[in-house]
Amino acid sequence: GENVEQHPSTLSVQEGDSAVIKCTYSDSASNYFPWYKQELGKRPQLIIDIRSNVGEKKDQRIAVTLNKTAKHFSLHITETQPEDSAVYFCAASVSGYQKVTFGIGTKLQVIP
Amino acid sequence: DAGVIQSPRHEVTEMGQEVTLRCKPISGHNSLFWYRQTMMRGLELLIYFNNNVPIDDSGMPEDRFSAKMPNASFSTLKIQPSEPRDSAVYFCASSRQGSDNEQFFGPGTRLTVL
Repeated sequence: GENVEQHPSTLSVQEGDSAVIKCTYSDSASNYFPWYKQELGKRPQLIIDIRSNVGEKKDQRIAVTLNKTAKHFSLHITETQPEDSAVYFCAASVSGYQKVTFGIGTKLQVIP
Repeated sequence: DAGVIQSPRHEVTEMGQEVTLRCKPISGHNSLFWYRQTMMRGLELLIYFNNNVPIDDSGMPEDRFSAKMPNASFSTLKIQPSEPRDSAVYFCASSRQGSDNEQFFGPGTRLTVL
């Protein structure tokens, strides 16, 4: 089955700096890579996703990149703000196949 | 849309007792997932259903755990007997087959077994 590894497990950045979270996956059949954000005491919510037919996708201050050959994908947050503080989960799945495999999560702390 | 509904939101019980967690998925969603979240192991998939049928229960820890989905709008996760190591937040999520695989999570049930 799919195995998703995520690092770092914790990340502290100064407000305004960038944050990068990296993930690798094992199943070459995976072609859909969502990222979820979980604020303290809340539920995980989808913030951005990428499919294997594109290498990069941006949405305001967040971007995701995918290297299908190396089976790497990353989340980039620019100009970080205190409200970005949360746990971020990467995930991988095969489009149309409902099971999604999550990484262990990265706790991001943005220091004002 | 009310989103995914879970009950109870908090449950405190004593070791050995039976615990039943409940979930109502979003109307029209035909896939339902049960996850367990702990600090040590993160978000673990326990079991998921497609069209009310269990598809993959390989994440269910042991025979003390069981899950049912009697109809498209209701699912239960039961732990009998419960143990302190079962203490965690249990999330239910649903998604629509053929969509972008986005899973919508419920608010979770925080279970404490004393």
